[in-house]
Amino acid sequence: DTEVTQTPKHLVMGMTNKKSLKCEQHMGHRAMYWYKQKAKKPPELMFVYSYEKLSINESVPSRFSPECPNSSLLNLHLHALQPEDSALYLCASSQETSRGGNSYEQYFGPGTRLTVT
Amino acid sequence: DAKTTQPTSMDCAEGRAANLPCNHSTISGNEYVYWYRQIHSQGPQYIIHGLKNNETNEMASLIITEDRKSSTLILPHATLRDTAVYYCIVRVGPGRRALTFGSGTRLQVQP
Repeated sequence: DTEVTQTPKHLVMGMTNKKSLKCEQHMGHRAMYWYKQKAKKPPELMFVYSYEKLSINESVPSRFSPECPNSSLLNLHLHALQPEDSALYLCASSQETSRGGNSYEQYFGPGTRLTVT
Repeated sequence: DAKTTQPTSMDCAEGRAANLPCNHSTISGNEYVYWYRQIHSQGPQYIIHGLKNNETNEMASLIITEDRKSSTLILPHATLRDTAVYYCIVRVGPGRRALTFGSGTRLQVQP
């Protein structure tokens, strides 16, 4: 199973709402990531989790709150978002340790398309 | 990670080979060349990676020049389903986990 699943596929939320994005993988990967992709732009890294601990936060505003409750799940909690936060949110996972430097491919989910009204 | 330069867009006829170039003139000795692609409205998909030798898998071939300053991704028989944005990414393999995407090349496969 090389699949990363993300729910929901689409989400529309108001600026006062609280919502969560979910990501799941069963490949035994211990590194998980959130990326944000605006229209016609490349994905940009938001967060990296390594062994369920936050290891990288790319200066993301606090209205985005990641959570990794176990090795298979990654959540992104959203609160008080702005319209400019509308984007495709991508989750990815990868092996954490290198096997001779040849196994760092990341597996991406299909993304959640978020619209903030 | 070294910076990469790719053409903004390319066209290819269906059934022909698609050759996508990438320049990475500042690449360091321990940096790998990775290729990912993103089909419209989907998540990026890993294609192939290499350090110095040419590599081939079921999806594509990767040709890296001897000085490692450029590379070419080859899709040997392009199909309409290969229409996507192709990203060339240079990064250290072990120990560096996140991907830094450039602008990529939008490949349009024509029937």
